[in-house]
Amino acid sequence: NAGVMQNPRHLVRRRGQEARLRCSPMKGHSHVYWYRQLPEEGLKFMVYLQKENIIDESGMPKERFSAEFPKEGPSILRIQQVVRGDSAAYFCASSNDISNQPQHFGDGTRLSIL
Amino acid sequence: AQKITQTQPGMFVQEKEAVTLDCTYDTSDPSYGLFWYKQPSSGEMIFLIYQGSYDQQNATEGRYSLNFQKARKSANLVISASQLGDSAMYFCAMRERTVTGGGNKLTFGTGTQLKVEL
Repeated sequence: NAGVMQNPRHLVRRRGQEARLRCSPMKGHSHVYWYRQLPEEGLKFMVYLQKENIIDESGMPKERFSAEFPKEGPSILRIQQVVRGDSAAYFCASSNDISNQPQHFGDGTRLSIL
Repeated sequence: AQKITQTQPGMFVQEKEAVTLDCTYDTSDPSYGLFWYKQPSSGEMIFLIYQGSYDQQNATEGRYSLNFQKARKSANLVISASQLGDSAMYFCAMRERTVTGGGNKLTFGTGTQLKVEL
């Protein structure tokens, strides 16, 4: 893969618990994007962040979901009080600030809600 | 309105043959980019090829080439000399600006499941 690191690879949570998904972008990349892939579907954009800033969260559900990209450390996608419908693969992508560069994806986190 | 359309939910091809996966798009932005990704059964997203809207020539990367027809708004992926390892889901995606204009996000099609047979 292109060096975007996501962990954990698989995450199991019970309904009502919190899920934290982590993403370290590729070296030299300062733009992070989160996507969600429901079963049998394509990826859907959720949120775009730069260091310490949320630039576009138009694809994020209004409740229970939040994202951050602190000055130090990985980007975090946080889902509070998870429900069965949150079961999906969550992908992180990163790019540099040249608009025609492809977004490189991590291997994703498969979230399963019991 | 759907911005990326992949009309082939599934395709079969024989090993060593070429196959074309269709993708049409819709945008009013004169500056855009088109991507193809491969997703094998293991689930990761593998970048294959990129075409910019202002690129004069069709993109090629090894056995992958992109048949870019701007007037028809199509960006079909051609895989030559198919191999068994090419069996996977293939997604076409378009780069478009975020609502703030400060970055880019990808809009994906629904994918085409390719099966390479002996």
